[in-house]
Amino acid sequence: KNQVEQSPQSLIILEGKNCTLQCNYTVSPFSNLRWYKQDTGRGPVSLTIMTFSENTKSNGRYTATLDADTKQSSLHITASQLSDSASYICVGGGAGNNRKLIWGLGTSLAVNP
Amino acid sequence: EAQVTQNPRYLITVTGKKLTVTCSQNMNHEYMSWYRQDPGLGLRQIYYSMNVEVTDKGDVPEGYKVSRKEKRNFPLILESPSPNQTSLYFCASKGWETQYFGPGTRLLVL
Repeated sequence: KNQVEQSPQSLIILEGKNCTLQCNYTVSPFSNLRWYKQDTGRGPVSLTIMTFSENTKSNGRYTATLDADTKQSSLHITASQLSDSASYICVGGGAGNNRKLIWGLGTSLAVNP
Repeated sequence: EAQVTQNPRYLITVTGKKLTVTCSQNMNHEYMSWYRQDPGLGLRQIYYSMNVEVTDKGDVPEGYKVSRKEKRNFPLILESPSPNQTSLYFCASKGWETQYFGPGTRLLVL
């Protein structure tokens, strides 16, 4: 069964600290792994997209990693800011006849001053 | 500015009263889709369209209709809304890699 699981479900950190969010996926055949940021009540915004052959991709203070062997991805946020408070959603993209996006439930991040 | 727009942003209606949520994109994307988002369930795809006049069911299509007569527009139609369709709805369009989402439509069906 295709699925994406994220941990932790929620996280609270202090402004300026780093954090890492985890994603385990079971998507077959697998094509790509995406991370989105979703502010409360707004549409998701794409942060990174990695194909199965990529190990890491950065977007400013956001760095995503991908291990296709263990089917794990992580999103690392450096020097967090209050505006980083949001839900971060991991999405697995299928390939071939399974070209669907499998959405995780997200990690809710709160950055406190 | 590249964007996806949705209207209305908020809607309260009663059971059985037909409604349409409009969606428009200005990026000339061929692929568009509709999602609903519910607490604890994440985003679920309702319908998608690969191009004009080409639409297909997503994961939760029951109770919804769509049409794609022009590339830029992809309206979502609820012929007879029911309370279980109370949700936050997002329209999205996809270019080569990136999917762009609209601001969302919050629907309450009484």
